[in-house]
Amino acid sequence: EVQLVESGGGLVQPGGSLRLSCAASGFTVSSNYMSWVRQAPGKGLEWVSVIYSGGSTYYADSVKGRFTISRDNSKNTLYLQMNSLRAEDTAVYYCARDLSGSGSYNFDLWGRGTLVTVSS
Amino acid sequence: QSALTQPASVSGSPGQSITISCTGTSSDVGGYNYVSWYQQHPGKAPKLMIYDVSNRPSGVSNRFSGSKSGNTASLTISGLQAEDEADYYCSSYTTSSTPYVFGTGTKVTVL
Repeated sequence: EVQLVESGGGLVQPGGSLRLSCAASGFTVSSNYMSWVRQAPGKGLEWVSVIYSGGSTYYADSVKGRFTISRDNSKNTLYLQMNSLRAEDTAVYYCARDLSGSGSYNFDLWGRGTLVTVSS
Repeated sequence: QSALTQPASVSGSPGQSITISCTGTSSDVGGYNYVSWYQQHPGKAPKLMIYDVSNRPSGVSNRFSGSKSGNTASLTISGLQAEDEADYYCSSYTTSSTPYVFGTGTKVTVL
């Protein structure tokens, strides 16, 4: 079955760190553009970061310098390392796959999401 | 990168048609055909409904259709049904500092 399963969310204090994982099955992560998208409670979707099949990475201005996207090809897993967390990073984090391996900027597969809460 | 602009809410009666707009700039919606639409029910992950402005993924009802004119994309839902009540988001490729941008979201209510 083709699916994405996120994990690693939880409660963390401001200034803390957390690493999210997104395990893929039924397709190869490294052959696709893979993104993280977040949704704060009661708010809209916000794109966070992408790693292209070729390895290039991009970040939203709100997380640049604090978050790092990566992948482990042997585990077919996407990661998001989040450092210097702030209250405004509180959200459900989704991983999402681009429709095309060469980039179509449409997300055709989403995980269920993992909740990150930043609070003291 | 500012979010694309959508109306906060749109409503209609069962069987009616409604249209949701998504307004951007020539750097995103107006400049490229990488516009997509997502449906999100409460507590659920988003679901791709339309990609590349007007294409429907396999399994999506043909009651959903997309179009674009200038810097504004539109999603039309025909024959509105109770199950269509959800939040809808547009998204586009952009040449700003980041390659992706979402819309502000629209809550669709079936009266």
